[in-house]
Amino acid sequence: QVQLVESGGGVVQPGRSLRLSCGASGFSFSSYGMHWVRQAPGKGLEWVAVISHDESMEDYADSVKGRFTISRDNSKNTLYLQMDSLRAEDTAVYYCAKKLPGSYYEPPDYWGQGTLVTVSS
Amino acid sequence: DIQMTQSPSSLSAFVGDRVTITCRASQGISNNLAWYQQKPGKVPKLLIYAASTLQSGVPSRFSGSGSGTDFTLTISSLQPEDVATYYCQKYNSALFTFGPGTKVDIK
Repeated sequence: QVQLVESGGGVVQPGRSLRLSCGASGFSFSSYGMHWVRQAPGKGLEWVAVISHDESMEDYADSVKGRFTISRDNSKNTLYLQMDSLRAEDTAVYYCAKKLPGSYYEPPDYWGQGTLVTVSS
Repeated sequence: DIQMTQSPSSLSAFVGDRVTITCRASQGISNNLAWYQQKPGKVPKLLIYAASTLQSGVPSRFSGSGSGTDFTLTISSLQPEDVATYYCQKYNSALFTFGPGTKVDIK
């Protein structure tokens, strides 16, 4: 079965960086695009970034463009989110999610359990 | 950018009631819409994609309809385990925007 396990969350000061990882198993990781989605405490879901299966395409929400970078290592079945210049409003649970099969423009189907990032001085 | 709205923001209904949630896109998105269920303290779960295709394993009391700008999620007979927040998400382009959510509980 599909398993996605996020790691790397924690408390970080504003302006600093953090890298999240998402280990994947139970499916052919290199065949699927992947998303990052976040959820601030008590708030709704916010899509963050997407990457194609072969890293040829990636896109970002306006709120993180220029600060966050999505990447993947298909040899390690791992997805990453490099977060730079962090702000208090980036505080959230960050979920990685596998895309539905199909085109680049497919939504998430399976989600990890999430990792909490808290940006605070 | 295309904005997504949902109505109502919350609702309360009896077990067995038919429940309908509406999602509206500010511009046409064809049928590129998904619905998710997030139970309290849990991870979101995909219910429906392509506006009306039921994800494998999802109970048949859930259904989706619509195209263009107006979409609905219907629960034909509300069950206690359906207490959750429901989100729509568009995916016609590289901005995979979610709606604000509709919280459903039992009267």
